[in-house]
Amino acid sequence: GAGVSQSPRYKVAKRGQDVALRCDPISGHVSLFWYQQALGQGPEFLTYFQNEAQLDKSGLPSDRFFAERPEGSVSTLKIQRTQQEDSAVYLCASSLGGTLGDEQYFGPGTRLTVT
Amino acid sequence: AQTVTQSQPEMSVQEAETVTLSCTYDTSESNYYLFWYKQPPSRQMILVIRQEAYKQQNATENRFSVNFQKAAKSFSLKISDSQLGDTAMYFCAFMNLQSGNTPLVFGKGTRLSVIA
Repeated sequence: GAGVSQSPRYKVAKRGQDVALRCDPISGHVSLFWYQQALGQGPEFLTYFQNEAQLDKSGLPSDRFFAERPEGSVSTLKIQRTQQEDSAVYLCASSLGGTLGDEQYFGPGTRLTVT
Repeated sequence: AQTVTQSQPEMSVQEAETVTLSCTYDTSESNYYLFWYKQPPSRQMILVIRQEAYKQQNATENRFSVNFQKAAKSFSLKISDSQLGDTAMYFCAFMNLQSGNTPLVFGKGTRLSVIA
């Protein structure tokens, strides 16, 4: 069965480079979330989509972070001019979105290391 | 804003024994869900158990059960008959249900080691 997939699994970027992280949610899932998990910490919310609409981007730490989901399925998180503090695991989660409190299914994450 | 606190950074338990992981949360909301997620070393986060705040009965899933004390804002996880495969990070998480699908607010996690 296809779960949430993310690519790449690992990314090393030099400071100042732009990166793009991809999330393929479970087919048919309406809701998609991005979280950032720093080393030794719990995940922290970045942004949320319902279909193609970005309903909440209050967690994006700066205007260098941008997310999109143009066709309501695959989503891309882009980080421009990466900084060392951007090093973290970026987790994507999707949920059916039909009812309150739907279970969120997580992908394996992308570990970003900025050198 | 909601906060979730896990006061035990690390715990260990002998195989087949029982262990309890603590979690407290702070919220002014009345309608919410609480979750325990497991994150094994492979990193994929997996839902362990869920509790609706309006339900007084504690949720149970096989060897996993919770002790939900709403007035005290406490939500502990009990793992019975611990197995080596239970070794993982465990995160307590809160979801506000007041406004549609909302993101999870996580604690910092407890690293559980099950020892043979």
